[in-house]
Amino acid sequence: KNEVEQSPQNLTAQEGEFITINCSYSVGISALHWLQQHPGGGIVSLFMLSSGKKKHGRLIATINIQEKHSSLHITASHPRDSAVYICAALLRTSGSRLTFGEGTQLTVNP
Amino acid sequence: EAEVAQSPRYKITEKSQAVAFWCDPISGHATLYWYRQILGQGPELLVQFQDESVVDDSQLPKDRFSAERLKGVDSTLKIQPAELGDSAMYLCASSLDNPDTQYFGPGTRLTVL
Repeated sequence: KNEVEQSPQNLTAQEGEFITINCSYSVGISALHWLQQHPGGGIVSLFMLSSGKKKHGRLIATINIQEKHSSLHITASHPRDSAVYICAALLRTSGSRLTFGEGTQLTVNP
Repeated sequence: EAEVAQSPRYKITEKSQAVAFWCDPISGHATLYWYRQILGQGPELLVQFQDESVVDDSQLPKDRFSAERLKGVDSTLKIQPAELGDSAMYLCASSLDNPDTQYFGPGTRLTVL
């Protein structure tokens, strides 16, 4: 069992739909990152959070420390949001090393 | 906007050859990371530097991989000799400190024939 798990593995949506990607982890964390990776490999850091909620444009990230769970939401999804979304946690048991989830492939159709 | 620079973007080599990748982090970022990402998987940390010092290289295959950050700025990752299983994307990232938001470079896609 991975220490950081994401769901779903693949997600297809229609333009305009509200998207939720989930991330759960098994031990305490110092921080959690949400990353976006486009075809070709480039990774963009979307959020780093350790509590509560952060919002940037149409993206919202939340984290519940007690439940060891984080969600990434995309409102009014657009085809350009199509990418792999990766959750990465700084586990207290892993020192300063990020533990990555396996990613969620999001495809938004026009 | 400041970016992490990496070169080359693509590298094709034959097995048993030596390869080297270069990374220039965002100015002022003390922490530098090298990751390897095999197609379809998440990135795996190879080595983490804090300034010029290695703070984590537990996942670095030290028989063939080496990394340095001599002046605490740019960094080089070397593989010698390359093996078929080394084909992957090699990503460099930097952050002001750890933990902090990591900024990723465009990566070097290595193909070993």
